[in-house]
Amino acid sequence: GENVEQHPSTLSVQEGDSAVIKCTYSDSASNYFPWYKQELGKRPQLIIDIRSNVGEKKDQRIAVTLNKTAKHFSLHITETQPEDSAVYFCAASGSTDSWGKLQFGAGTQVVVTP
Amino acid sequence: NAGVTQTPKFRVLKTGQSMTLLCAQDMNHEYMYWYRQDPGMGLRLIHYSVGEGTTAKGEVPDGYNVSRLKKQNFLLGLESAAPSQTSVYFCASSYSSLAGINEQFFGPGTRLTVL
Repeated sequence: GENVEQHPSTLSVQEGDSAVIKCTYSDSASNYFPWYKQELGKRPQLIIDIRSNVGEKKDQRIAVTLNKTAKHFSLHITETQPEDSAVYFCAASGSTDSWGKLQFGAGTQVVVTP
Repeated sequence: NAGVTQTPKFRVLKTGQSMTLLCAQDMNHEYMYWYRQDPGMGLRLIHYSVGEGTTAKGEVPDGYNVSRLKKQNFLLGLESAAPSQTSVYFCASSYSSLAGINEQFFGPGTRLTVL
């Protein structure tokens, strides 16, 4: 099955700086890569996703890039703000018959200090 | 739309007790999932369902059972709770489309402690 590794496990950044989180996946048939943000005590919520036919996607201060050849994808947050502090999870879909299942990375704790 | 809801929000059990967690969604999604979340381990899939009356095992199914008698509901049962099942449990739902796999929508979670 699909295996997703996520790095780093913790990330501290100064407010206004950029944050980058990287994930690698093992199943070359994976075609959907979402990123979720989970604030303390809350549910995970989708912040951005990308499909395998696209190399990059942006939404205001966040962007995701995908390198299918190397089987890795990254989340970029620019101009970080204190409200960006949370745990971020990447995920990959696995093969096309996966019935919507996602394999999640272990998560990255992002702390934005003023 | 309430989205995905879970009951209860919190529960404390003694070892050996049983309980059922209820997940409900009002988005008419075909797919539903149960995860457990433990520190440093992300979200691990327990069981999932691809439609009413169907269930399948995920990554960590031992000690759990599920049922999906109605499309909108997905129940997770613990027959004989163990301390290792202390965790936060999330339910999620999703749907299929021409684009393929889509976003999973999560419920608010159930915090379970087994003493």
